[in-house]
Amino acid sequence: AQKVTQAQTEISVVEKEDVTLDCVYETRDTTYYLFWYKQPPSGELVFLIRRNSFDEQNEISGRYSWNFQKSTSSFNFTITASQVVDSAVYFCAFDSWGKLQFGAGTQVVVTP
Amino acid sequence: EPEVTQTPSHQVTQMGQEVILRCVPISNHLYFYWYRQILGQKVEFLVSFYNNEISEKSEIFDDQFSVERPDGSNFTLKIRSTKLEDSAMYFCASGSLSGTDNEQFFGPGTRLTVL
Repeated sequence: AQKVTQAQTEISVVEKEDVTLDCVYETRDTTYYLFWYKQPPSGELVFLIRRNSFDEQNEISGRYSWNFQKSTSSFNFTITASQVVDSAVYFCAFDSWGKLQFGAGTQVVVTP
Repeated sequence: EPEVTQTPSHQVTQMGQEVILRCVPISNHLYFYWYRQILGQKVEFLVSFYNNEISEKSEIFDDQFSVERPDGSNFTLKIRSTKLEDSAMYFCASGSLSGTDNEQFFGPGTRLTVL
């Protein structure tokens, strides 16, 4: 069975610090997708990135970057130069044939 | 840009009452989903729906739950007799493809409060 683990429950940083969120997954599938979602205090789920299992290239989008390491089954997410607006819960998710499995989420608190 | 919409944004009900949560998926999508998030917890899969029938459902999705696509646009989740523990945010999602190439687009959620 698939499993997604986000071991960090909460990370607190001061504005402009970098923050890295860990995500580890377990699966026997060879084809799968991994996602990151942001959930701000307003409650909606904001899609950040989707990665398929065959593409291990790291990706950067503005202040966000993702490091996919298939050898360690990890898909980590880094926010560079954090801002107060980055304060939210971040969820890693695994796509198991159309059924998203979410990790427990990491609460990021960015203080000025 | 097309988006998934959900109504109402917040529903308050008494224990034992029936509730219907409504979703309008993106118009050309064929796959529909409901997820649940109890306050402070992770998002959990409830059910997937394709071709007018349930494709997969989780253990949470017991006989008290049902889904329907009553017309060409709406996708509903019905809870027959609500319990206190049904209080949660319910997210609808829709997608256009099957299997692992299915990107799911989420609605803004309906917060259900059972008193």
